[in-house]
Amino acid sequence: TQLLEQSPQFLSIQEGENLTVYCNSSSVFSSLQWYRQEPGEGPVLLVTVVTGGEVKKLKRLTFQFGDARKDSSLHITAAQPGDTGLYLCAGPNTGNQFYFGTGTSLTVIP
Amino acid sequence: EAGVVQSPRYKIIEKKQPVAFWCNPISGHNTLYWYRQNLGQGPELLIRYENEEAVDDSQLPKDRFSAERLKGVDSTLKIQPAELGDSAVYLCASRLTSPGELFFGEGSRLTVL
Repeated sequence: TQLLEQSPQFLSIQEGENLTVYCNSSSVFSSLQWYRQEPGEGPVLLVTVVTGGEVKKLKRLTFQFGDARKDSSLHITAAQPGDTGLYLCAGPNTGNQFYFGTGTSLTVIP
Repeated sequence: EAGVVQSPRYKIIEKKQPVAFWCNPISGHNTLYWYRQNLGQGPELLIRYENEEAVDDSQLPKDRFSAERLKGVDSTLKIQPAELGDSAVYLCASRLTSPGELFFGEGSRLTVL
């Protein structure tokens, strides 16, 4: 059961470009997390957003939680090859099961 | 401090054979998850443990999959018999608090021939 839909599924851009990844659901989440996963590794937490409308910045990455807490976005400014990876949003349902989104595979070309 | 440890990293088996994966979570983490991940997709939840209790195994295909977490620490995930469609990476994660960060192992990549 994929409660969290991400778009786009694949993204290939040139170094220096900006991009936005979206995470959408029909359900309300008490919090959402964003993870990045590199090949052969497990996902690693980037950020947790809790409050509707919340914006968090992590260097060139900006995360926003929707006002209704049903969606979130990740914006990367001036992408670098090191940003390449699989980006995953994730959150708990009412039963505290932790579900991941469908994933966005980002490739930044030098 | 050691992270989540999984073994084996890679396993190749023929269909209908059994396979088992082992996970040692971070010390003190009571919550343990098993996920299955196909290439380029998000992890799909199989089962969650709170200590030694499986609190939700509704996503686990019980006809061929089983899991256990004896003494609330290490966990094993077993598939018997394996099918071609079981080829995937099996990820184990643990967490200290809720909501909190999930810490993942490197995963066990299964190839069923």
